[in-house]
Amino acid sequence: GAVVSQHPSWVICKSGTSVKIECRSLDFQATTMFWYRQFPKQSLMLMATSNEGSKATYEQGVEKDKFLINHASLTLSTLTVTSAHPEDSSFYICSARETGISNQPQHFGDGTRLSIL
Amino acid sequence: GNSVTQMEGPVTLSEEAFLTINCTYTATGYPSLFWYVQYPGEGLQLLLKATKADDKGSNKGFEATYRKETTSFHLEKGSVQVSDSAVYFCALSDPGTGANSKLTFGKGITLSVRP
Repeated sequence: GAVVSQHPSWVICKSGTSVKIECRSLDFQATTMFWYRQFPKQSLMLMATSNEGSKATYEQGVEKDKFLINHASLTLSTLTVTSAHPEDSSFYICSARETGISNQPQHFGDGTRLSIL
Repeated sequence: GNSVTQMEGPVTLSEEAFLTINCTYTATGYPSLFWYVQYPGEGLQLLLKATKADDKGSNKGFEATYRKETTSFHLEKGSVQVSDSAVYFCALSDPGTGANSKLTFGKGITLSVRP
């Protein structure tokens, strides 16, 4: 079945560091990928929709300059948390939907746990 | 806008008990409905889905029926196992908007099954 790979699964870094998270669709092409943030014991909050070859669409309240998204190919989207601070610590999850097939569900990566010291 | 409401949790059951997790939604048109499961420390996995009214999604003993008249998509399982312990999310996607269709999630509910 469809698989989405997310890397790294866990990262700890110092405040002020920029962190890049990769999301890959392994056996299908995905024109569109989604980035979510999940706080402990809470639901997923959609941060942005990543579109291959064009700018991402950010949800209200999400800082574009803070969370940089690049979707350079049909199988890879990256999220870079720039100058990360402790309040950016969270669980980040990506998802992808197979291109060209209607009513396909989103397939999720295993998430990246980001801890900023 | 779209919204998904799940029953408050957590839910604790004994093994082999019957499970019902309620989910209702608000949406215009005819959304697709999903149940996702999240095991500790992992991302979400699609459990089942239904794309139109009266459809029944089923997987791993879980079932949910798309009820348009009550705008509900309740999750049921006849006999839960310890391995079913996880967080369950009900979700809907915008009707007919293709690949950019966003998912709207409920708050999720934690299920713990005791041996």
